[in-house]
Amino acid sequence: GAGVSQSPSNKVTEKGKDVELRCDPISGHTALYWYRQSLGQGLEFLIYFQGNSAPDKSGLPSDRFSAERTGGSVSTLTIQRTQQEDSAVYLCASSLEVSGRSSSYEQYFGPGTRLTVT
Amino acid sequence: GQQVMQIPQYQHVQEGEDFTTYCNSSTTLSNIQWYKQRPGGHPVFLIQLVKSGEVKKQKRLTFQFGEAKKNSSLHITATQTTDVGTYFCAATGANNLFFGTGTRLTVIP
Repeated sequence: GAGVSQSPSNKVTEKGKDVELRCDPISGHTALYWYRQSLGQGLEFLIYFQGNSAPDKSGLPSDRFSAERTGGSVSTLTIQRTQQEDSAVYLCASSLEVSGRSSSYEQYFGPGTRLTVT
Repeated sequence: GQQVMQIPQYQHVQEGEDFTTYCNSSTTLSNIQWYKQRPGGHPVFLIQLVKSGEVKKQKRLTFQFGEAKKNSSLHITATQTTDVGTYFCAATGANNLFFGTGTRLTVIP
């Protein structure tokens, strides 16, 4: 079956503009995660969804970042008034369920969206 | 929150040499996962370790989970150019996986 898909694959935007990044998880995966990866750096956790709800939004860098998930499937990460420091690869991952202290689930990553803010 | 440290940050080896990356936590981990990210690619799951002292092998890769479940290692025997990439460990937190900083492996042919 299809893996996690993300669109667009590349996005160049001017500083101050809003952008929307889309993630289509693997069908049947209830958990969805967003990460940010700057060039040569590790993975910075942004937000996760269990179904349509996002219990923990503390990873979002600022109030310019928001995310939603509808129908327990597609998720959109929105960055308002983009800044140059927002330039990075934004990775989405999905798993069967949310990892917790009792069990952990393999995360399947999408190819990412490379965002460049000029 | 949960933090995992990985060392080294970078490693350059001659093809055929061995390579090891270490993942350390100050707290006891429920389990640990390892991922590999090829240059320009996205992280791909390699394995999960759950039991204290667990050792798992995948061809030339050997994964270990410490007895105290606070550290883990990934050892590659006789590296090949296809091993190039960044290796991440990831530990389970309350509701998420916390990824280590990664070790970037370069293999010199």
